[in-house]
Amino acid sequence: GENVEQHPSTLSVQEGDSAVIKCTYSDSASNYFPWYKQELGKRPQLIIDIRSNVGEKKDQRIAVTLNKTAKHFSLHITETQPEDSAVYFCAASLSIAGGYQKVTFGTGTKLQVIP
Amino acid sequence: DGGITQSPKYLFRKEGQNVTLSCEQNLNHDAMYWYRQDPGQGLRLIYYSQIVNDFQKGDIAEGYSVSREKKESFPLTVTSAQKNPTAFYLCATRLLAGGRYEQFFGPGTRLTVL
Repeated sequence: GENVEQHPSTLSVQEGDSAVIKCTYSDSASNYFPWYKQELGKRPQLIIDIRSNVGEKKDQRIAVTLNKTAKHFSLHITETQPEDSAVYFCAASLSIAGGYQKVTFGTGTKLQVIP
Repeated sequence: DGGITQSPKYLFRKEGQNVTLSCEQNLNHDAMYWYRQDPGQGLRLIYYSQIVNDFQKGDIAEGYSVSREKKESFPLTVTSAQKNPTAFYLCATRLLAGGRYEQFFGPGTRLTVL
């Protein structure tokens, strides 16, 4: 089955600096890669996603890149702010029979933005 | 997200008891999922359902059961056979039509076994 590895597990940056979180996946058939932000005790919220036919996607201070050949994708947050502090999860999603998407999550990165 | 409700928010269970976690949605989404989240780990899939009266086991289904009698509802029962049930449980939904892949999560239920 799919295996998703996420690094680093914790990341501390100064406010205003950039943060990069990296994930690798094992199944080349995965075709959808969402990123979720989860604040303490709250539900995961989708912040950005990318499909396998796209190499890069940007939304204001957040961007995601995908390298299908190397089977890795990354989340980039620029000009970090204290409210960016949270746990971030990557995921790889695979289409299987019946329209079902099997989603495998990474283990999460705890990002701390230091004011 | 506001269209998915989970209850209760906190649940305490004695060993040997079965408990049922509720998940209701008014988004008219077809698919519903249950995930378990443990500290330092990602979300692990317990069960999923794409249509009423049908559901499939996920990666860690042992000790859990579900039903899907209505499109809006997907309750999860944690049975006494689940050896380590203390965790944060998240319900999610997805609209299957239109080629959309996004999952939306409920607020979660924190289960603690005493």
